[in-house]
Amino acid sequence: QVTLRESGPALVKPTQTLTLTCTFSGFSLSTSGMCVTWIRQPPGKALEWLARIDWDDDKYYSTSLKTRLTISKDTSKNQVVLTMTNMDPVDTATYYCARILRTTSAVLIDYWGQGTLVTVSS
Amino acid sequence: DIQMTQSPSSLSASAGDRVTITCRASQSISSYLNWYQQKPGRAPKLLIFAASSLQSGVPSRFSGSGSGTDFTLTISSLQPEDIATYYCQQSYNTAWTFGQGTKVEIE
Repeated sequence: QVTLRESGPALVKPTQTLTLTCTFSGFSLSTSGMCVTWIRQPPGKALEWLARIDWDDDKYYSTSLKTRLTISKDTSKNQVVLTMTNMDPVDTATYYCARILRTTSAVLIDYWGQGTLVTVSS
Repeated sequence: DIQMTQSPSSLSASAGDRVTITCRASQSISSYLNWYQQKPGRAPKLLIFAASSLQSGVPSRFSGSGSGTDFTLTISSLQPEDIATYYCQQSYNTAWTFGQGTKVEIE
């Protein structure tokens, strides 16, 4: 059974770098076609896609945030790490990691983590 | 980036009503359109993928249609457990985008 779990600090100060870890089970990121993505949601607002990493180490970033984001994977630990630099109070959000399923005609998120709330405040 | 616009932003309907939510893309995305349901305090859940394919385990009262730029999510008979916010999401290119969400409430 597929599970994902986000971990990281609940509180960061402005200008600091946020590091979040997604630990997953039930699949391997070394398997062709597997991908993991990060998505965030500010309180009471819509979902915002952040980044994605594929089994072949291809990486994709949000156009508006790409200068601040880095995504990486540790296949042996079944982990994906997202770093976001220069945190600001507007980055306060619940951060989700999720698995992407790719088929011949679709690309979708089939499993989500529970999310972790990150508050940016001094 | 491809912009996804949902309408309405919220709606209120009675149990048993037919509910329709629309999603428009700023350019053609073929059928690379997914719908997610999110209940308060929970992670989103996939309902429909590839515009019209029902995810396993999702009740058949949910259906999706459309291609190109215009898409629709329909709940044929609204149930109390369908109270949630619904999001469309395009996966046409690698810069994914979501709609702003439609909050569905029961009258």
